[in-house]
Amino acid sequence: EPEVTQTPSHQVTQMGQEVILRCVPISNHLYFYWYRQILGQKVEFLVSFYNNEISEKSEIFDDQFSVERPDGSNFTLKIRSTKLEDSAMYFCASSGGREGYGYTFGSGTRLTVV
Amino acid sequence: AQSVTQLGSHVSVSEGALVLLRCNYSSSVPPYLFWYVQYPNQGLQLLLKYTSAATLVKGINGFEAEFKKSETSFHLTKPSAHMSDAAEYFCAVSRGQRDDKIIFGKGTRLHILP
Repeated sequence: EPEVTQTPSHQVTQMGQEVILRCVPISNHLYFYWYRQILGQKVEFLVSFYNNEISEKSEIFDDQFSVERPDGSNFTLKIRSTKLEDSAMYFCASSGGREGYGYTFGSGTRLTVV
Repeated sequence: AQSVTQLGSHVSVSEGALVLLRCNYSSSVPPYLFWYVQYPNQGLQLLLKYTSAATLVKGINGFEAEFKKSETSFHLTKPSAHMSDAAEYFCAVSRGQRDDKIIFGKGTRLHILP
């Protein structure tokens, strides 16, 4: 069964450093997403991406965040200057966009900011 | 705006007993509804989804959910709990449009008692 692949599975970074989280969506999917889950809390939407541009973003997704699809297979989330409160599990997801298709989530990257 | 409310942050059932996890939704348009399961330190796995077809939806691992518009509910059930069902369960809603975000509930942690 096709999978969404996220790397790394765990990343530790110092406060103020830039971090890039990487995702390889399912190859024939057209819509890409990032979500995050702070420890013990619910999963929150960050951003959706289609046709090489952001289609929707939440209030969490401020100027410190950016997304990119640098080639035909990768989808990245960059945090420019990490804060302690950015520590969370970050999930990438993709969907084919067809009715009833549904999402496929990756297994997540746990980001720890120290 | 869309939202889901999961009643009970923790639910404990005995092995072999009925599992009932409650979810109520709010949506201004006909919703798509989902249940996801998250095992410790793992990603989000889709259990089942309602996409405006049959109101009783069967999913993986013996789970099912019934969409009740009059009650704005989408409760998750399983006739007989197994120890392996212990996990966090998230109810979620979307508008069903092609690139729409999914809004998650806060989750219910299911404990299985031997």
